[in-house]
Amino acid sequence: AQSVTQLDSQVPVFEEAPVELRCNYSSSVSVYLFWYVQYPNQGLQLLLKYLSGSTLVKGINGFEAEFNKSQTSFHLRKPSVHISDTAEYFCAVSSSARGNQFYFGTGTSLTVIP
Amino acid sequence: DTGVSQNPRHKITKRGQNVTFRCDPISEHNRLYWYRQTLGQGPEFLTYFQNEAQLEKSRLLSDRFSAERPKGSFSTLEIQRTEQGDSAMYLCASSPRRLWANYGYTFGSGTRLTVV
Repeated sequence: AQSVTQLDSQVPVFEEAPVELRCNYSSSVSVYLFWYVQYPNQGLQLLLKYLSGSTLVKGINGFEAEFNKSQTSFHLRKPSVHISDTAEYFCAVSSSARGNQFYFGTGTSLTVIP
Repeated sequence: DTGVSQNPRHKITKRGQNVTFRCDPISEHNRLYWYRQTLGQGPEFLTYFQNEAQLEKSRLLSDRFSAERPKGSFSTLEIQRTEQGDSAMYLCASSPRRLWANYGYTFGSGTRLTVV
């Protein structure tokens, strides 16, 4: 079975400050890891993904994430946030088994304060 | 192709009524997924199709729910005898079968169902 835990439900941060959104996963098989962003009343947009290879992956809008297998973590970071980054962020895990369905965390609401 | 399209965007219905949602995936994607997202939660898997075949259904998909993808293109999700607990955002996503992980899913904007 696969599951995802997002440790922080809400993260307020001042504009231009750095931010880290935490994600831990559990799985008995090799997994792929994803971060999605959801703006109000919209669907989910892919930010970045880890499939294999380099553990540091870069995504859109200046976000990056680091895969840590020993800690089973995939934390999302941005060195300097902007007002437009205010949104809900979801970490998700999937594998090539079981039709590639995604297991999502409960989300982290990022609020950027001017 | 403008991505995954879902209709309607919003639906308000009385308890006990039937509702149907439609999803039009990206044309070259042969996998189509339905997820449900309730307030404050992440999306939860409901079912998925590869072409016209429904290959997996979640235990969340009760007997009142049925999904179809008759020609391997668009899909419909029907909920019969709606209950207030069905109120949620219903998300559709599509992906290619091959190299799907390189692309992730492409999600639609969802259909928000409110049962009153």
